[in-house]
Amino acid sequence: SQQGEEDPQALSIQEGENATMNCSYKTSINNLQWYRQNSGRGLVHLILIRSNEREKHSGRLRVTLDTSKKSSSLLITASRAADTASYFCATEETSGSRLTFGEGTQLTVNP
Amino acid sequence: GAVVSQHPSWVICKSGTSVKIECRSLDFQATTMFWYRQFPKQSLMLMATSNEGSKATYEQGVEKDKFLINHASLTLSTLTVTSAHPEDSSFYICSAKRGFLSYNEQFFGPGTRLTVL
Repeated sequence: SQQGEEDPQALSIQEGENATMNCSYKTSINNLQWYRQNSGRGLVHLILIRSNEREKHSGRLRVTLDTSKKSSSLLITASRAADTASYFCATEETSGSRLTFGEGTQLTVNP
Repeated sequence: GAVVSQHPSWVICKSGTSVKIECRSLDFQATTMFWYRQFPKQSLMLMATSNEGSKATYEQGVEKDKFLINHASLTLSTLTVTSAHPEDSSFYICSAKRGFLSYNEQFFGPGTRLTVL
């Protein structure tokens, strides 16, 4: 079952603006990962944050994790048209290595 | 980086036929491989987890006799959709995990689009 819920479901912004996506989950996790998927394509791994980490950066990406609230956010700064894609969070539960994906956020960056 | 390939990238078949999809880890040995299904505009749903040399573990609601998984080696897993029907049309994605540490990320294949007529 999908334990991840993401909001917003869809986000449309102008190039140069920041985009923030949120993810909530229900169980205890080892880590939380963010992926990007262009339409009809496979997934691209963006960033992994462990349960004992609170914040992580990678280029224009910033991920936060609040295990007390069971939530995470992905911030993309200075967005580009090429960032247009679906973004999914996925949690690896402490019970095993399986990933449970959220419903995803469709991001559209308008040039 | 770690690369996972899938073959074929797309397939169209008639209802009632069987279709085999291959998933290969090209430059690493995958201790575990996963198969996901994704319907249009939806998220990925885990179908099954397979470990080399052992039977796959299927998620609740996934028919193991319909979706046959064989993990013959540390670099190859296959998913066979038996007696496919139009409702099986979907995007099938595999992933491979390297090592046994829980923090190892999964590497995803590019997906296989199955269309059953």
